[in-house]
Amino acid sequence: DQQVKQNSPSLSVQEGRISILNCDYTNSMFDYFLWYKKYPAEGPTFLISISSIKDKNEDGRFTVFLNKSAKHLSLHIVPSQPGDSAVYFCAARRTSGSRLTFGEGTQLTVNP
Amino acid sequence: DTAVSQTPKYLVTQMGNDKSIKCEQNLGHDTMYWYKQDSKKFLKIMFSYNNKELIINETVPNRFSPKSPDKAHLNLHINSLELGDSAVYFCASSQVRDITDTQYFGPGTRLTVL
Repeated sequence: DQQVKQNSPSLSVQEGRISILNCDYTNSMFDYFLWYKKYPAEGPTFLISISSIKDKNEDGRFTVFLNKSAKHLSLHIVPSQPGDSAVYFCAARRTSGSRLTFGEGTQLTVNP
Repeated sequence: DTAVSQTPKYLVTQMGNDKSIKCEQNLGHDTMYWYKQDSKKFLKIMFSYNNKELIINETVPNRFSPKSPDKAHLNLHINSLELGDSAVYFCASSQVRDITDTQYFGPGTRLTVL
């Protein structure tokens, strides 16, 4: 039962353009969502998060949008840079300290 | 300073052996986790300890036993290793206080069972 899904295994964009990574979830009890970035041979690194009481959170080039009715969130990176090339994981949880449920990840490649 | 560290980074062993992976965090967090990333790249929670107390224990074989000697350490011991245990194991930690607690991950331990 995959409660968090990232349907695009890969995404390729040109440097300077916008990258949009998508994530869908099925469990309506999730109330906190996170995006992690992972480089090869490294652990996931926290990128940005959003609480279910908000619909947008912005941090520099990164913005996360949450559509609760559609159970959908997206990560926008603008402008995209080659250093952003990594696997991006969407994750969700119900309460503080509880397990994170991860999506399967999207490999983003930003071409110079 | 490494916030969450794991040793070893790579572990190659034979089926049937017993092995341990160590994890340490210097962030002062009160909760630590073990995740498994399998060949399909899914990251799945295995265990979680809060102040040395087991609070999450997912359906994993009894051959896997976490041990938390103190808040800063969470080790994973695996008995009678099987081929299917081959995966990357990630340790993580967080400070549980409110909805915004964020989990910080170690670099991972790639376990290969031959």
